Amino acid sequence: SAVISQKPSRDICQRGTSLTIQCQVDSQVTMMFWYRQQPGQSLTLIATANQGSEATYESGFVIDKFPISRPNLTFSTLTVSNMSPEDSSIYLCSVAGTSGSYEQYFGPGTRLTVT
Amino acid sequence: DQQVKQNSPSLSVQEGRISILNCDYTNSMFDYFLWYKKYPAEGPTFLISISSIKDKNEDGRFTVFLNKSAKHLSLHIVPSQPGDSAVYFCAARTGANNLFFGTGTRLTVIP
Repeated sequence: SAVISQKPSRDICQRGTSLTIQCQVDSQVTMMFWYRQQPGQSLTLIATANQGSEATYESGFVIDKFPISRPNLTFSTLTVSNMSPEDSSIYLCSVAGTSGSYEQYFGPGTRLTVT
Repeated sequence: DQQVKQNSPSLSVQEGRISILNCDYTNSMFDYFLWYKKYPAEGPTFLISISSIKDKNEDGRFTVFLNKSAKHLSLHIVPSQPGDSAVYFCAARTGANNLFFGTGTRLTVIP
């Protein structure tokens, strides 16, 4: 499975500011995913990011709030814009497994607290 | 609307005994099911999966059972070890790349 790293691992931010989270993979992957886990909740897919195309957002998530970049096959960023305390969550990136498998492999996550 | 549910937030088991973690789902279009394990400050780690065309999949100490008519799956860990103490998530997919996750069950294996 791919080795995935995320930066920062955690941050405390003031409301109204923005934070960009980086996700780096040690191999080239076609699809990368961004998830959110709010306190006490399950993981929820925010968007799917393919290299060279616009990210595809799930219902309830919009590009203005969560802009995503995917400049190459090993890197992606997620920005949480104009943050409010409700954005306090763990944000995780993931990649699909090998061709023909349906598993996704996750990075360690970024724990965001908005005050 | 929570399509994947784990109704037990926690479970404690003695070392060496069997751990059974349960998961229920509502969407009959789910075609693949997965279990993940998560340690604190780490991302979820893939554990085992099962296709909807099967009713059992085994990998070492871990076995997943699927009952499609009941829309229920379970993860059995035998024998349980202290290192198995973690939060376990079940997840399901519909054929797209979106995984729907349950809220997790915290397993504690008591030495």
